Amino acid sequence: AQTVTQSQPEMSVQEAETVTLSCTYDTSESDYYLFWYKQPPSRQMILVIRQEAYKQQNATENRFSVNFQKAAKSFSLKISDSQLGDAAMYFCAYRAYGGATNKLIFGTGTLLAVQP
Amino acid sequence: GAGVSQSPSNKVTEKGKDVELRCDPISGHTALYWYRQSLGQGLEFLIYFQGNSAPDKSGLPSDRFSAERTGGSVSTLTIQRTQQEDSAVYLCASSSRPSQETQYFGPGTRLLVL
Repeated sequence: AQTVTQSQPEMSVQEAETVTLSCTYDTSESDYYLFWYKQPPSRQMILVIRQEAYKQQNATENRFSVNFQKAAKSFSLKISDSQLGDAAMYFCAYRAYGGATNKLIFGTGTLLAVQP
Repeated sequence: GAGVSQSPSNKVTEKGKDVELRCDPISGHTALYWYRQSLGQGLEFLIYFQGNSAPDKSGLPSDRFSAERTGGSVSTLTIQRTQQEDSAVYLCASSSRPSQETQYFGPGTRLLVL
């Protein structure tokens, strides 16, 4: 069974600095998707970035980028120029490619605090 | 609306009562998912609907939980004879093409069973 592990329950970063959130996963599949979702206190899960496993190039979205290491099964999120609005719970998620359900498997989350 | 909507936003009920939670997916999205977010279990998959296919109910924790999706759009998650351990945030998500597309989430329903 696939699993997702986030080993940092909490992280803190100064405004305008850079922070990296860690995520590892376990799967025997070769094709899959990885996601980072952000959940602010409003509860709304917001997609931050996604990565297709068959793509070697790391995904980037403005200040957000990932370091995808397929062999190591690692998928970290880097937030550059951190802003107060980045404070939230961040979840790493895995989804198989194809299959019957395409359900997301989530890690336990990392709570990010941004200090002014 | 533009996004996934859920109602009610919050629900407080007494142990043993039945509750219904509603999800309106993004218009045109054929795939719909229910997840539960609780302190003890984290985020877990409950059920998946895709078009007219039989739903995947493999994540439902007990037979007290059921869900339906009418007309391929709105979905209702029903919990019968609620227990205190059912207290959680219930999240709904939809996607346009289940095998490739990103899932977009609603704001969730926070359920508290007293």
